[in-house]
Amino acid sequence: AQSVTQPDIHITVSEGASLELRCNYSYGATPYLFWYVQSPGQGLQLLLKYFSGDTLVQGIKGFEAEFKRSQSSFNLRKPSVHWSDAAEYFCAVGNAGNMLTFGGGTRLMVKP
Amino acid sequence: DSGVTQTPKHLITATGQRVTLRCSPRSGDLSVYWYQQSLDQGLQFLIQYYNGEERAKGNILERFSAQQFPDLHSELNLSSLELGDSALYFCASSVGGLNTGELFFGEGSRLTVL
Repeated sequence: AQSVTQPDIHITVSEGASLELRCNYSYGATPYLFWYVQSPGQGLQLLLKYFSGDTLVQGIKGFEAEFKRSQSSFNLRKPSVHWSDAAEYFCAVGNAGNMLTFGGGTRLMVKP
Repeated sequence: DSGVTQTPKHLITATGQRVTLRCSPRSGDLSVYWYQQSLDQGLQFLIQYYNGEERAKGNILERFSAQQFPDLHSELNLSSLELGDSALYFCASSVGGLNTGELFFGEGSRLTVL
């Protein structure tokens, strides 16, 4: 069965600082990997996705993520965080059977 | 605005009751997915429909059922409600399956069971 672990439940960073959110997955084959962001009272918005090819993927809002098969990881990064990035971030793994499994989420707080 | 519409946004009901949540997918999207988000279980995949047919099933209880109609809107029916069913229920849509691109999520229907 596929699973996703986001080790950090909460992270606080200062505005302008760099950010890395960790994601580890368990899946037998080549996974489809996603990062979504959820702002309070909102639905989930896709930041980026990885299906195949280049292991470094660029997303919206200046985010990027790197797929590392050897580490079963798909960490999300941003070089300089803005106050508007405060939200909850979800990593997810999907399969050809169309079942998307989410991690527990990481709540990001941004200090001014 | 994702283009996915969910109604109602909020719903309060009592244990043992039955409710129906409605989802209108983005124009042109054939797939509809239902997810449940709760504090203790996180985001759980419930079920997916593609062009009216069930395509994938996750952790959906037998008390819950869903369908997708010819106009592609979908309904999630929750019956014999329990306190633990209180959650945010999301609908998402996509053109096809996961490998065809992203899922677009609605803003959710918050169900409170008292």
